[in-house]
Amino acid sequence: DAGVTQSPTHLIKTRGQQVTLRCSPKSGHDTVSWYQQALGQGPQFIFQYYEEEERQRGNFPDRFSGHQFPNYSSELNVNALWLGDSALYLCASRLRGGQETQYFGPGTRLLVL
Amino acid sequence: RKEVEQDPGPFNVPEGATVAFNCTYSNSASQSFFWYRQDCRKEPKLLMSVYSSGNEDGRFTAQLNRASQYISLLIRDSKLSDSATYLCVVNPLPAGNNRKLIWGLGTSLGVNP
Repeated sequence: DAGVTQSPTHLIKTRGQQVTLRCSPKSGHDTVSWYQQALGQGPQFIFQYYEEEERQRGNFPDRFSGHQFPNYSSELNVNALWLGDSALYLCASRLRGGQETQYFGPGTRLLVL
Repeated sequence: RKEVEQDPGPFNVPEGATVAFNCTYSNSASQSFFWYRQDCRKEPKLLMSVYSSGNEDGRFTAQLNRASQYISLLIRDSKLSDSATYLCVVNPLPAGNNRKLIWGLGTSLGVNP
């Protein structure tokens, strides 16, 4: 059983560009959350998707948007990239039925130059 | 006061040592608590969930003190493979609703031969 997968693993962009990151949850998981983890910091909650809708959002600007597809996979889009957006972007999925434990993907490391 | 605060690191201990980390939280209504470990440049992985007063899993013991609002993680007989960053996570919402998980900054542990 594959765990949570994310693509790409690494990405380099320049300021002002747009980026799309992708996540496939574990089999049987229907809830996907996205986190941003800057170097030396803990993960910061961006938003969560369930039933193809954004259910909750952290303290991130509208430049950060997302989507969830019928197969529960998800995308994170960031527009007008800033240098400060450089971070590890983590996707976490949760088991259907409201179980609390989240399982993280390996992350996408984004560098904005 | 930060919502979740952890011991400043790094902790450097010899193999076989016992080491303890503390984590304090500010929201007295917090419902559930977790310890994750994160290896360098990897995703966080759940180490232990902490409900009621605490629990034990092999060499790892987590304890919860609601009155003083702290969680501790005790590692006995440290192994080289225990070297990682340990993240404390607090859920201020009822169990099953983890949209607002709050992450500490982590404590770095190095176990030396």
